[in-house]
Formats: sequence, structure tokens, C-alpha cells
Amino acid sequence: DAKTTQPNSMESNEEEPVHLPCNHSTISGTDYIHWYRQLPSQGPEYVIHGLTSNVNNRMASLAIAEDRKSSTLILHRATLRDAAVYYCILTNFGNEKLTFGTGTRLTIIP
Amino acid sequence: KAGVTQTPRYLIKTRGQQVTLSCSPISGHRSVSWYQQTPGQGLQFLFEYFSETQRNKGNFPGRFSGRQFSNSRSEMNVSTLELGDSALYLCASSLQGVDNYGYTFGSGTRLTVV
Repeated sequence: DAKTTQPNSMESNEEEPVHLPCNHSTISGTDYIHWYRQLPSQGPEYVIHGLTSNVNNRMASLAIAEDRKSSTLILHRATLRDAAVYYCILTNFGNEKLTFGTGTRLTIIP
Repeated sequence: KAGVTQTPRYLIKTRGQQVTLSCSPISGHRSVSWYQQTPGQGLQFLFEYFSETQRNKGNFPGRFSGRQFSNSRSEMNVSTLELGDSALYLCASSLQGVDNYGYTFGSGTRLTVV
């Protein structure tokens, strides 16, 4: 499985944008980039995914580099409820599993 | 709509016993996956079922097994429990696997082996 690299932790002030980076230099042409987050005492939660183009949904935006070797999850206006561990995962349709790394622990400062 | 339901929420077992965990997926979801989460190893994939067939399996010993029923409900079984099997076991469902809608996870079953 292709590997992703994320910072162990990040801090951000409440109501400010947050940019969570992910490196995936060995990504293959058919790998999708998925983001999940895990809030304390809960199971992981799907956030967003993309292949080549930038993606937006109600939770976040995903910016994918042109060479696809890195991506950034953008939370436009962080709230205290966004404090969680964020996982960047490469997936491939037909390989039905999520390989979680250590993720980035995001702390929101009030 | 109802989310992914896992039962029981908490379980305490003794070494050597066996345990069965249950997962009810979101209505209409045909793919069910199981994950183990421990402080040391993080989230690890156990197996995935689709329409009663196991499509993918993680690197766990044969003591870990699972099955899926015709109504998509799934169970996982761990036999001959070891202390190291203490973990949060998470079930996730999706329409058809890694698709455009992502997996929905349950809150998990916390298993403690003593």
C-alpha cells in the first residue's frame, strides 16, 4: 500500500482556517486520497476524498497538488468541535480497506 | 437514518475464552469492515465483507474470524483470547466498499481481556 506522511500534531486558533498537509510521493495513478477524522471516544468519520481535482463539501476542502504527491485538507473556520485526529489515506477501488497511519492530532485553541 | 450499531459497547472476558461482536450496518449498505484500535498499533484493518463474501483480510491470526449474513449484518469472533486482544473493535459500513460516499463507522466495542 502506498504510504502517507503527516505531521504528528498541529494547533490552530478557533475561527481561523486550518491547513492539514499530507505527503504521498508514491501515490499511483488510480489511488484516491481520502481523509477521515476521529473525535475523542468516537469511531472515525469520513471527511472528504478526491482523485485529481480540488474538492469541496460541507465539512472541508481538499486541495491536491498537480503532481498528486501531496494534498492539503482545509477547514475553513475551525471550531472546538474540529479537535480530532485527522487521517490521510490512499485507497483504490477494488482494494476494500483503509490503511490508517498515525494521523495529525489537531488542537483548537479557544 | 440509523447509523452503524455495534453491540455490546463494553465487554470483559478472560484469557482463553472466545467472544463474538455484532455489527448492524446502515440500511442498504452491503459492505462491512472491521478494524482493531489499540494505543500501540493504532487502527488496523481486520477484514471486509460484501454480500456475505470476505473480499479482503488484514494481517491477523486465524483466531480472528468474521461472517456476514444475508441482511448485511456482520459478526466477528475471536477465539482463545489473549491479553493483547484488548482493544476497541470498530465496524464500518458503506454501500459497496471504498466508494464515493466513504465508510460510516460505529462507536465500537471495547473489549478487555483479563
